[in-house]
Amino acid sequence: EVQLVESGGGLVKPGGSLRISCAASGFIFSSYNMHWVRQAPGKGLEWVSSITSGGSHTYYADSVKGRFTISRDNAKNSLYLQMDSLRGDDTAVYYCARAPFSNYYFFAYWGQGTLVTVSS
Amino acid sequence: EIVLTQSPATLSLSPGERATLSCRASQSISNQLGWYQQRPGQAPRLLIYDASHRATDIPARFSGSGSGTDFTLTISSLEPEDFAIYYCQQRSSNWPLTFGGGTKVEIK
Repeated sequence: EVQLVESGGGLVKPGGSLRISCAASGFIFSSYNMHWVRQAPGKGLEWVSSITSGGSHTYYADSVKGRFTISRDNAKNSLYLQMDSLRGDDTAVYYCARAPFSNYYFFAYWGQGTLVTVSS
Repeated sequence: EIVLTQSPATLSLSPGERATLSCRASQSISNQLGWYQQRPGQAPRLLIYDASHRATDIPARFSGSGSGTDFTLTISSLEPEDFAIYYCQQRSSNWPLTFGGGTKVEIK
């Protein structure tokens, strides 16, 4: 069974940094591109970032480019999102997600999400 | 950036009725569209990918159609658990990936 478990969310001050993680199990992690999607309270879904299976290519939404860094450790079956220069509008539940098939960019598997709150 | 516009914003229907949700793309995306359902307090669930393919374990009452810029999600007969928010998402060759603003299907 595919499982994605996010961790590391919490309260951080504006301008601060946070790293969130996603532990994957139940599939060959190194074979799949991985993604982060967020949802601000009471708002819709926003794609944040994607990373290819080997980690060689990364993609970012304009809203986070230059501030967030996606990475992965295939030996540890883990996905990460380093978030720097955080702002109030980064407050959201952050979901780790995987496509139904390798090299697809729809999201069939989701974690439970981790809440990041940016506030003074 | 490809903008997805969903309509209507809210759809008020009764159980057993047919629901028709629309998603329009700002430029052609071929069939590179997915649909998601999100119930309160839950992560989204993929219903449809590539415009018309049902994802694993999705009931046959959900169907998707369209190509180019106009897409439709149809729920043939609403069950109580189908009252939720629905999002479309595109994955054309152009980054970024984008979602529509959502359609809330509520009980009339």
